[in-house]
Amino acid sequence: DAGVTQSPTHLIKTRGQQVTLRCSPKSGHDTVSWYQQALGQGPQFIFQYYEEEERQRGNFPDRFSGHQFPNYSSELNVNALLLGDSALYLCASSRWTVPAEQYFGPGTRLTVT
Amino acid sequence: DQQVKQNSPSLSVQEGRISILNCDYTNSMFDYFLWYKKYPAEGPTFLISISSIKDKNEDGRFTVFLNKSAKHLSLHIVPSQPGDSAVYFCAASGAYSGAGSYQLTFGKGTKLSVIP
Repeated sequence: DAGVTQSPTHLIKTRGQQVTLRCSPKSGHDTVSWYQQALGQGPQFIFQYYEEEERQRGNFPDRFSGHQFPNYSSELNVNALLLGDSALYLCASSRWTVPAEQYFGPGTRLTVT
Repeated sequence: DQQVKQNSPSLSVQEGRISILNCDYTNSMFDYFLWYKKYPAEGPTFLISISSIKDKNEDGRFTVFLNKSAKHLSLHIVPSQPGDSAVYFCAASGAYSGAGSYQLTFGKGTKLSVIP
């Protein structure tokens, strides 16, 4: 049973560029949430997708956007990258009926130079 | 304003002894709590959870205690093993009672070192 997978593992971008991160949820899960984890901090909620719609959003600017596909996989897009966007980006999947039991992928380490 | 607090950045315990990790929260809407373990270069791994209708939940060597009046929860690991060395995150949600807040709010983590 495959768990949550994310790609790529690492990414280096230049300030001002755009980036797309990808996530495939655990089998049987239909809800995907994205989190940003800065060094020394706990993960911070960015947004959550269910039925291809953004259902909840944390305190992140509009430069952060997402998408969910019919097969439940998801993308996180960040535009106009800032140095402060350097972080580990984590995808978590769950079932909409049990939304708090979220299972995390290994993350994508984004470095903005 | 940090709604979930883990006040101990680190904890060292001898192998075989009990590890106790603590977590405090301020938002009274939280009704579901989880503990995650995280190794370097990996995502958080779900360990154990508890809903606000319970005050204790056990799973093998791991037990979580919830004190709603004090807004405090703790994770007990008995006996501690060297493989338990990792960063432990406490997380909270308002999802259980359908409060609608499905996002997880995390503490900053406690680094546990189990000494052989």
